[in-house]
Amino acid sequence: GAVVSQHPSWVICKSGTSVKIECRSLDFQATTMFWYRQFPKQSLMLMATSNEGSKATYEQGVEKDKFLINHASLTLSTLTVTSAHPEDSSFYICSARDVGMGGGYGYTFGSGTRLTVV
Amino acid sequence: QKEVEQDPGPLSVPEGAIVSLNCTYSNSAFQYFMWYRQYSRKGPELLMYTYSSGNKEDGRFTAQVDKSSKYISLFIRDSQPSDSATYLCAMSNYGGSQGNLIFGKGTKLSVKP
Repeated sequence: GAVVSQHPSWVICKSGTSVKIECRSLDFQATTMFWYRQFPKQSLMLMATSNEGSKATYEQGVEKDKFLINHASLTLSTLTVTSAHPEDSSFYICSARDVGMGGGYGYTFGSGTRLTVV
Repeated sequence: QKEVEQDPGPLSVPEGAIVSLNCTYSNSAFQYFMWYRQYSRKGPELLMYTYSSGNKEDGRFTAQVDKSSKYISLFIRDSQPSDSATYLCAMSNYGGSQGNLIFGKGTKLSVKP
């Protein structure tokens, strides 16, 4: 089946630094990738929709200058948390849609990145 | 009212029990319904998916959708300790090549040996 590889799985960074998270679709092309954030005991909250070759679409309340998204190829999307602060500590998960799967089901998730800002 | 409501639990059952997990939703445009299983500190993995109303069975798992009531269910028969995880319902109206999922909060399930 479709596989989405997300790296790193965990990262600790100092406040004020930037962190890049990568999401790759390994055996399919993903024109659209989604970035989610999940706080403890909370559901996945969509942050932004990443479209290959165009600007990402951010959800209301998500700062686009803080969470930089780049979707330069059909298999790679990156999320960069700039000038990270402790309140950015969270679990970040990407998802890619395999259009070959058909219908509205073909969402495959990465394994997530736990970011801790100290 | 949130688009998708799901009781977060936690739900604790003995091994072998039948588990019932549910979600309600408010958007009648939703057509695709999914259940994801998420282990601690991992990304969600697709467990079951259903289009429109009806039932779908896969091994010990049965998914039901009642669009008239805006209610979906996941049943787990002969539950095992390995089923212990958080179960998230998700749904989409999927109007074309793009579309995103709306998730419930997830129900944390613990199956005791």
